[in-house]
Amino acid sequence: GESVGLHLPTLSVQEGDNSIINCAYSNSASDYFIWYKQESGKGPQFIIDIRSNMDKRQGQRVTVLLNKTVKHLSLQIAATQPGDSAVYFCAENRSGAGSYQLTFGKGTKLSVIP
Amino acid sequence: DTAVSQTPKYLVTQMGNDKSIKCEQNLGHDTMYWYKQDSKKFLKIMFSYNNKELIINETVPNRFSPKSPDKAHLNLHINSLELGDSAVYFCASSQDSGGTGTGELFFGEGSRLTVL
Repeated sequence: GESVGLHLPTLSVQEGDNSIINCAYSNSASDYFIWYKQESGKGPQFIIDIRSNMDKRQGQRVTVLLNKTVKHLSLQIAATQPGDSAVYFCAENRSGAGSYQLTFGKGTKLSVIP
Repeated sequence: DTAVSQTPKYLVTQMGNDKSIKCEQNLGHDTMYWYKQDSKKFLKIMFSYNNKELIINETVPNRFSPKSPDKAHLNLHINSLELGDSAVYFCASSQDSGGTGTGELFFGEGSRLTVL
């Protein structure tokens, strides 16, 4: 079965507010996690990644938090903008034999209300 | 310049036909992938090639056959198409195949396959 899932399939946020997208994973052996953004009609686009030896990583307006104790991952978007409207996926890496085998979660659709 | 390009973008065909989707990347990456995205947006890996060599082959019907003529190209050929093959197929590439580098995958725009 899937080892990566999301708590909320849809999320509506007012423009300017902060967004938090959550993800749960079940494979304790996963050591690498990535967030992707997929806009309508396009392919997924890398946002930010984090390795299991970290619990927080910041990018431009985005922060990823990793809680290995409860196997939880979150993506925080500061000052959400209309351009942030998209489907967001978390993905985990179940590495083995030196290859990336990303397993994607179901996705959360973020809608930004102007 | 498009980093990962795949053609065609849309493909409508009848059951039983054979079709191919082509993918090319100009990023100089060694590893390429095919992913399938179903109607519920679920993304699942199908194949992965590193330097023209197959390294991941998930449980997909053997009607699906990837072919990598060189490390910049990974084509997907599908025989005897079925209704359930309707999906968006994404090609992707990465610089690293699973070591300590970034696992960032660069995706193409997708090829929407509709089987009637």
